[in-house]
Amino acid sequence: SYVLTQPPSVSEAPGQTARITCGGNNIGRRSLHWYQQKTGQAPVLVVKGDSGRPSGIPDRFSGSNSGNTATLTITRLEAGDEADYYCQVWDSDSDQVVFGGGTKLTVL
Amino acid sequence: QARLVESGGGVVQPGRSLRLSCAVSGFTFSSYALHWVRQAPGKGLEWVAVISFDGSNVHYADSVRGRFTISRDNSKNTLHLQINSLRVEDTAVYFCTRDKSAVPPYYYGMGVWGQGTTVTVSS
Repeated sequence: SYVLTQPPSVSEAPGQTARITCGGNNIGRRSLHWYQQKTGQAPVLVVKGDSGRPSGIPDRFSGSNSGNTATLTITRLEAGDEADYYCQVWDSDSDQVVFGGGTKLTVL
Repeated sequence: QARLVESGGGVVQPGRSLRLSCAVSGFTFSSYALHWVRQAPGKGLEWVAVISFDGSNVHYADSVRGRFTISRDNSKNTLHLQINSLRVEDTAVYFCTRDKSAVPPYYYGMGVWGQGTTVTVSS
């Protein structure tokens, strides 16, 4: 089955830019989504369809997807951005949803 | 405002069964596919199952196929997950989520999530 690979952790200082990657075979051909999950809360969709932003998501959150890597970029980091971030695709070969293992973002 | 509220979790012995429910309000229930996603303590998100808008098309994760059954009642705006032969490894928070699509392929992500219901499998 299809596998999405994320780094376990990313750390950046407030005001800086964090980039979280999600790797997969020809992932650029798939529609990829990103979710933010803060401690004790349900996940929230922050990027849809590679680079779209759902209503209410700040423009500090953006996404890109090409080749074998998708990237979630968060600019002007705030303490409130500390969370776990998950990438996700629909795998048409297996008819299953696939999540990446998640990345813990720490804002130092 | 779209709202999903899960219920039915609890502490259950291995081998027993459990039925989770997800009550929906704030949108046209019968227009969207719905998923169950679970999260074991301290672990990442694991997709469990999806059901199309009318219940005619269902898909399962390999890890649960044969033991879990997803269903929906469009007359009651309710989603269900029947879990049989519970295992310790089924211990998790179970979230119901709304897809943007009605039928596969599910290319548009899960835009609405419930707060989850906790299932603990222990003897």
